[in-house]
Amino acid sequence: GAGVSQSPRYKVAKRGQDVALRCDPISGHVSLFWYQQALGQGPEFLTYFQNEAQLDKSGLPSDRFFAERPEGSVSTLKIQRTQQEDSAVYLCASSPTWGGRVSISYEQYFGPGTRLTVT
Amino acid sequence: GENVEQHPSTLSVQEGDSAVIKCTYSDSASNYFPWYKQELGKRPQLIIDIRSNVGEKKDQRIAVTLNKTAKHFSLHITETQPEDSAVYFCAASMVGQGAQKLVFGQGTRLTINP
Repeated sequence: GAGVSQSPRYKVAKRGQDVALRCDPISGHVSLFWYQQALGQGPEFLTYFQNEAQLDKSGLPSDRFFAERPEGSVSTLKIQRTQQEDSAVYLCASSPTWGGRVSISYEQYFGPGTRLTVT
Repeated sequence: GENVEQHPSTLSVQEGDSAVIKCTYSDSASNYFPWYKQELGKRPQLIIDIRSNVGEKKDQRIAVTLNKTAKHFSLHITETQPEDSAVYFCAASMVGQGAQKLVFGQGTRLTINP
């Protein structure tokens, strides 16, 4: 079946511009995560949704970052007034799990990422 | 919060030899430890994971060991092949009824020399 998809794959923004990054999770996956991966580093957590509820946004670096998942499926990460330090790959991951089942997989399935370059 | 340290940052081994990558974590409440492989420009892909109620898990040439007391876990790859060359990330998480955020190590660039 189709995996996690993200668009655009590459985005170049001038400093100060707003950008919107889209994530299409695997159909039926309850949990959705956003991570930021700087060059040569491991992914760093930004925010987490369970269906449409944003349960954890502790990793968002500033109030310029905003994420939403209004219908519990597609999610958008928005960055306002982009800065050079925002340049990174933004990864989305989805996971099927949420309670009530005997056998649970905690695997997070990652999308290909959006490479954001702020000039 | 959780902190994950990963060593070494680079590792070069001869084809056919074994490779070992080690990680330590700080939060004793963490109970799920996945390993991801990321090829250049590609998405991270899960290669093996272990939960805290298990000390070791093996899948063909790949194994993971966990020492909860010492708060460290390791990835072992045997009979390495050129296609094993990639960056490997360990991670830790405190899962419950569902997946929770992953805290990643800094990564290990593994190179297999033919």
